[in-house]
Amino acid sequence: DAKTTQPPSMDCAEGRAANLPCNHSTISGNEYVYWYRQIHSQGPQYIIHGLKNNETNEMASLIITEDRKSSTLILPHATLRDTAVYYCIATVSGSARQLTFGSGTQLTVLP
Amino acid sequence: EPEVTQTPSHQVTQMGQEVILRCVPISNHLYFYWYRQILGQKVEFLVSFYNNEISEKSEIFDDQFSVERPDGSNFTLKIRSTKLEDSAMYFCASSEGQGFTLHDPQHFGDGTRLSIL
Repeated sequence: DAKTTQPPSMDCAEGRAANLPCNHSTISGNEYVYWYRQIHSQGPQYIIHGLKNNETNEMASLIITEDRKSSTLILPHATLRDTAVYYCIATVSGSARQLTFGSGTQLTVLP
Repeated sequence: EPEVTQTPSHQVTQMGQEVILRCVPISNHLYFYWYRQILGQKVEFLVSFYNNEISEKSEIFDDQFSVERPDGSNFTLKIRSTKLEDSAMYFCASSEGQGFTLHDPQHFGDGTRLSIL
């Protein structure tokens, strides 16, 4: 699995968009990018994943650069409940293999 | 929305005792996992299970650990003789595992906090 690099922490004002970056410069062509978050020691919560196209669901949008070396998770209107540690994981198979969690980004949404 | 459920939410056990942590994965899922998170540390993979056998395990998953799918709905993690360092949150996860690409996401339960005294 490709190594990912994320900033250790970020702040965001409530109601504003939160843009969380992830660098995965050694990602291979068949590796997907997955985003999870963990709210205060609860189980990791799946957010979104993608291969090369931008993806959007009810929780977030995922923007992957054309060269696939980095991506950004966008929470369009952050709320206090979005305060969590966000993990970016690159892997060939999110379903059949172990996920390797790094330290992630602690996002704090400020009132 | 279907979810992974884990019981108990908190388990306190004396060192050396056996403990069984239970999980009910999402019903149509085929892959099952256990992870753990020691307080203040990263989430670590323990084991994955598919078609009634272990498909992958980490170095943490030694002979003291075992997994079982005793019936069509439960998935259990057993620690035979617990040590102080087994104190952690244990998360169960499951994924559909369907299709050629196998990129379905894993969905996690809210964990069992295991405290070894």
